[in-house]
Amino acid sequence: NAGVTQTPKFQVLKTGQSMTLQCAQDMNHNSMYWYRQDPGMGLRLIYYSASEGTTDKGEVPNGYNVSRLNKREFSLRLESAAPSQTSVYFCASSESLGTYEQYFGPGTRLTVT
Amino acid sequence: GNSVTQMEGPVTLSEEAFLTINCTYTATGYPSLFWYVQYPGEGLQLLLKATKADDKGSNKGFEATYRKETTSFHLEKGSVQVSDSAVYFCALSVGTGNQFYFGTGTSLTVIP
Repeated sequence: NAGVTQTPKFQVLKTGQSMTLQCAQDMNHNSMYWYRQDPGMGLRLIYYSASEGTTDKGEVPNGYNVSRLNKREFSLRLESAAPSQTSVYFCASSESLGTYEQYFGPGTRLTVT
Repeated sequence: GNSVTQMEGPVTLSEEAFLTINCTYTATGYPSLFWYVQYPGEGLQLLLKATKADDKGSNKGFEATYRKETTSFHLEKGSVQVSDSAVYFCALSVGTGNQFYFGTGTSLTVIP
């Protein structure tokens, strides 16, 4: 059981470069999420997708875009990376919005120089 | 609004010591409460949860009781092991809302 998978695990970018973080889940979940984790700040929601075909902004969406490609996949794109986007990024999924347990991927550690 | 406050770390304990990590919350409505654990280099995993007042969540020797009167959900374990070394996050979710609200995490190190 793969659960939630993320690629890549590590990435180094130069300021201004773009990249896409990939996420896929095999649990037939409706809802998917992107978080960033920074020291002393816990997890902050970037974007979420309640169901296939919908996406909405979370707490810290600036500088990011997302695509819910199908029910399984939810990608996060940085169009022009900035050092402030250096972080660990986690994808998660849940059966639906609300109080359902969220399942997390292993994370992508991104450094922007 | 909705928020979670958990005790700051890091916490260092000797093996077999008693663990308490405090968590208090504010919420509009009736939240469900969660503890997640993050082992080094991994994503978060659900440790336990409670969905209504006075419920006790438990797993792997960890327990937490949903206390509405004190708006708390403290994590406890009677005898910690080295393998419990991790970062622990308290979280809440309310109704059909779009997100979980996570605390800042408490790092626990257990030494032999």
